[in-house]
Amino acid sequence: DTAVSQTPKYLVTQMGNDKSIKCEQNLGHDTMYWYKQDSKKFLKIMFSYNNKELIINETVPNRFSPKSPDKAHLNLHINSLELGDSAVYFCASSQEGLAGYNEQFFGPGTRLTVL
Amino acid sequence: AQSVTQLGSHVSVSEGALVLLRCNYSSSVPPYLFWYVQYPNQGLQLLLKYTSAATLVKGINGFEAEFKKSETSFHLTKPSAHMSDAAEYFCAVTKRGGGSNYKLTFGKGTLLTVNP
Repeated sequence: DTAVSQTPKYLVTQMGNDKSIKCEQNLGHDTMYWYKQDSKKFLKIMFSYNNKELIINETVPNRFSPKSPDKAHLNLHINSLELGDSAVYFCASSQEGLAGYNEQFFGPGTRLTVL
Repeated sequence: AQSVTQLGSHVSVSEGALVLLRCNYSSSVPPYLFWYVQYPNQGLQLLLKYTSAATLVKGINGFEAEFKKSETSFHLTKPSAHMSDAAEYFCAVTKRGGGSNYKLTFGKGTLLTVNP
């Protein structure tokens, strides 16, 4: 069974379009994340949700809007796509609390290419 | 602010040779430190983590790392490289975000290639 899954795996679209990426985890975790990995492999957190509540919101353009319908799902909607949005987007999940050192489990990534 | 610096964006070793990937951290409080591995076209997978217990941490696939506070380092080692170890390796440190959540801050990664 896939622990953290993302769809689609590849997404090719034109500038100006709106697109969504979906993420689901079946680990029973209470926290989910979105990361962006650029062409130089640099990973940066974008958002974090804990029990459907937005916890971390980094300096991300407001064209990016995460939505968490329940604890097991965290979707990412992107409006008015730009060339600079081309990247690999990773979803991750963990069981949080006050420990602060719990492992994050990553999905396989969605490679977004904006033409 | 907490951060990690990975020295060397690319490390190349021969099969059977020692693997040493360097990571130095900066933190105003005792950190939690992690090493993740990313195989080509895959997501990240945890290799090992330091959580203020033993300073020598053993992980999966024969990797280990030692936390050295005096050197602010958390270098990753493996005695004998296998071809299957070829991947991108990321050092990361936690940083408390909002509420009770911690935020992982990653280094820029080190690409390990293993030559036959």
